[in-house]
Amino acid sequence: DAGVTQSPTHLIKTRGQHVTLRCSPISGHKSVSWYQQVLGQGPQFIFQYYEKEERGRGNFPDRFSARQFPNYSSELNVNALLLGDSALYLCASSLMLSETEAFFGQGTRLTVV
Amino acid sequence: AQKVTQAQTEISVVEKEDVTLDCVYETRDTTYYLFWYKQPPSGELVFLIRRNSFDEQNEISGRYSWNFQKSTSSFNFTITASQVVDSAVYFCALSEDILTGGGNKLTFGTGTQLKVEL
Repeated sequence: DAGVTQSPTHLIKTRGQHVTLRCSPISGHKSVSWYQQVLGQGPQFIFQYYEKEERGRGNFPDRFSARQFPNYSSELNVNALLLGDSALYLCASSLMLSETEAFFGQGTRLTVV
Repeated sequence: AQKVTQAQTEISVVEKEDVTLDCVYETRDTTYYLFWYKQPPSGELVFLIRRNSFDEQNEISGRYSWNFQKSTSSFNFTITASQVVDSAVYFCALSEDILTGGGNKLTFGTGTQLKVEL
């Protein structure tokens, strides 16, 4: 079975641009969460979606948004990119909302120049 | 608000040595989960162990073991007989929103880089 897949794996954008990152959860998993990991730091929670509804949001500006589709895949959108948005963006999926084991993808490395 | 502290930024050991990674957490909740994840250079976070706040029994799973002490808010992780393949960044994490977010809304520490040399 395929694990959590994220695309693209690497991305270079210019300040002020918009970016969309994609995540496909493990088959059957209904919950998807997004994390931002700046170099040298631990991942920080951005969003959680379950059954296409936002169920949690971390302390990130409104430039960050996300959505979940009927097939449970998800997109993370970031507008007006800043240099500080350069990071590894990780997606995690789990079977249910209250499932305590989350499976992570390999992430998308975003570089803003 | 919850917080996880990993005071050790980097540890170097020689293969076959035992190594303990420290984790201290802060939470106001009585119901929570604690985790250890491993992040190899590829970037993917790999789940290692999980412990809920109601179970302080310490266990061993293969070469991994953990010591959970609520009295000191610590959740330390030990690798026995370390191997070169254990080299990675290890993260301790806390989840408070058990009923609404479970393991998907995690607060991570800053990580400990473990280097195992021959």
